[in-house]
Amino acid sequence: AQKITQTQPGMFVQEKEAVTLDCTYDTSDQSYGLFWYKQPSSGEMIFLIYQGSYDEQNATEGRYSLNFQKARKSANLVISASQLGDSAMYFCAMREVPNTGNQFYFGTGTSLTVIP
Amino acid sequence: EPEVTQTPSHQVTQMGQEVILRCVPISNHLYFYWYRQILGQKVEFLVSFYNNEISEKSEIFDDQFSVERPDGSNFTLKIRSTKLEDSAMYFCASSEVQTEAFFGQGTRLTVV
Repeated sequence: AQKITQTQPGMFVQEKEAVTLDCTYDTSDQSYGLFWYKQPSSGEMIFLIYQGSYDEQNATEGRYSLNFQKARKSANLVISASQLGDSAMYFCAMREVPNTGNQFYFGTGTSLTVIP
Repeated sequence: EPEVTQTPSHQVTQMGQEVILRCVPISNHLYFYWYRQILGQKVEFLVSFYNNEISEKSEIFDDQFSVERPDGSNFTLKIRSTKLEDSAMYFCASSEVQTEAFFGQGTRLTVV
């Protein structure tokens, strides 16, 4: 089974509107971390936001927030007040702790296009 | 701000040749990774490295690949006898125990 599932290959949003990018995960561990990364067309991987499995509050970082629903195993990224510079590929990732390899499992990504 | 640095940014090599991709992780990080991404598609895990040894590797990471931490600061990925399908962006990353992974800017490998 896939560890991370992103079901939206592409999304469009009007500038200044909010958008939600979906992510579900699969793990039997109690302790894990969830991450979102942004990859603009230039190719670098930019860390956006982190949610720990024991964190009771949803993580927020500026215009980014993570809608964490543990029972549903979802970790959706919400981008408020979209800007043209938000157009990029977005990857959801998970890391199980403890895990001998500590690898980050990535989803297939969602391509977000912000329309002026 | 500390960052992961990768060299070269772009490498072109002939099929069958060996390449070494270099990375300098963030100095106090304990875990090091190599990932690859073919043409902006999914990010594929290759290998993780901890305490001077491989801690996990994927099925992609076969005998063609090897990693080394030769001097306590560099972290290298060697690809022997390159194939056309090895063409991809290779990312090095490092992390502490429970934090996010910091990625380098990537090395674009083109096998011709």
